[in-house]
Parts: sequence; structure tokens; C-alpha cells
Amino acid sequence: DAGVIQSPRHEVTEMGQEVTLRCKPISGHNSLFWYRQTMMRGLELLIYFNNNVPIDDSGMPEDRFSAKMPNASFSTLKIQPSEPRDSAVYFCASSLRASRRGDDTEAFFGQGTRLTVV
Amino acid sequence: AQSVTQLGSHVSVSEGALVLLRCNYSSSVPPYLFWYVQYPNQGLQLLLKYTSAATLVKGINGFEAEFKKSETSFHLTKPSAHMSDAAEYFCAVSEGKYGNKLVFGAGTILRVKS
Repeated sequence: DAGVIQSPRHEVTEMGQEVTLRCKPISGHNSLFWYRQTMMRGLELLIYFNNNVPIDDSGMPEDRFSAKMPNASFSTLKIQPSEPRDSAVYFCASSLRASRRGDDTEAFFGQGTRLTVV
Repeated sequence: AQSVTQLGSHVSVSEGALVLLRCNYSSSVPPYLFWYVQYPNQGLQLLLKYTSAATLVKGINGFEAEFKKSETSFHLTKPSAHMSDAAEYFCAVSEGKYGNKLVFGAGTILRVKS
């Protein structure tokens, strides 16, 4: 398997523009996570899905952020409008959530998308 | 809510010396604990995990960690540091309704001196 695939790897955009980050999880995984990494705040969980359903979006900073998972093999994170403070590395991760806690696999991370908003 | 605290944002060791990265957790339920490593411009890679089996967990690249409930700790060690170990290390605890949501510590950057 190619692992978790994120695109683009780098994105530079102007303030106010819409930005869409994409993620393809590992085939067969049923949990997907979006994280944001910054120097100031470290790794923050933004949202996670189980079986394509958003379970916890309490980490989404504000209404400008939205995430979707239309099917088991694709997810997007959208920022509209973007602001300079959104500049960060955004990671997507996937895992297999088993029916019993403890049987889950670990989270596998993509390479990340480095977003710069100028 | 569960949380982890990593003591020391930067650790520097000499090549061949012992590596010790500290992690303490807070959890109201039996925790599942993880160590991840991040190399520059890369995603995170799992080093090892504790899921209530053996308290001493062995991982990849010669790393191991010991779960100590009485100290609420899960420190990461390696007997002999190698230059290739230079990276950032994250401790994490799982929580959430489904138990697979990870909460990460702030990270510790390990520097290995020749």
C-alpha cells in the first residue's frame, strides 16, 4: 500500500482565497483524522471521522474550516477564506478502528501539506 | 480529558549515550499510550505503543518504553544513541468515544552530537 496520500505537498495562497487540502487514506482503514501542526500550538486534532461520519469536530478553529469525507477513500479539508494565521502543516492520518478497543491499529500519517497564506 | 506532558522540549546527547525522553500522562481510564517520531519534513511514524499488555514495550530502531502506572509515566529510552535518531519525538494518549483519537504532547527534539 502507498500509505496515506496527501495533496498538494505545498500550497501558497493569498489571504482571502479558498484552500482545499486532500487526503486518501489507507485502503481498508475506517478512521480518518486531520491534524494541524504549528510551532506555537504543536499538533492539534481538528476533526476525525469513523466510517465517513464526523465524530468530533471540536478542534476545528472556526467556521472558515470545513471537512468532508464523501466516501471511504477520500477526504477534504477546506479553508474559506484563508488567513495568514492558518499557515501550518496539515496532516491527515488513518487507522483501522476495530469493534473492540485495543484491537485498533495505530494511526498512519501522510507526509503533510505545508500551507502558507500570505 | 486525557493529556500528556513531555518534559523538555529539547534533549541533547552524545552519540553512543543513553537516550531518555520523558512523558507523563493524565487519564481517567486505563490509557493506551504511543510514541511517534517525526523526521524533518516528514509525517509521523509509530515507534511503539502500550495497550495494557506488557508494561515494557519494545519498538523499532532499538527504542523501548516502560509504562509505570504509579508514576503515570511512559518514558522512552534507547541504550545507545545514533546520529540517525535525531528527530522530534511525540508521546500520545488515545481517548474519545471510539478510543482511537490521539492526543499528542508538545514534542521533544532530540539532538545527537558526534
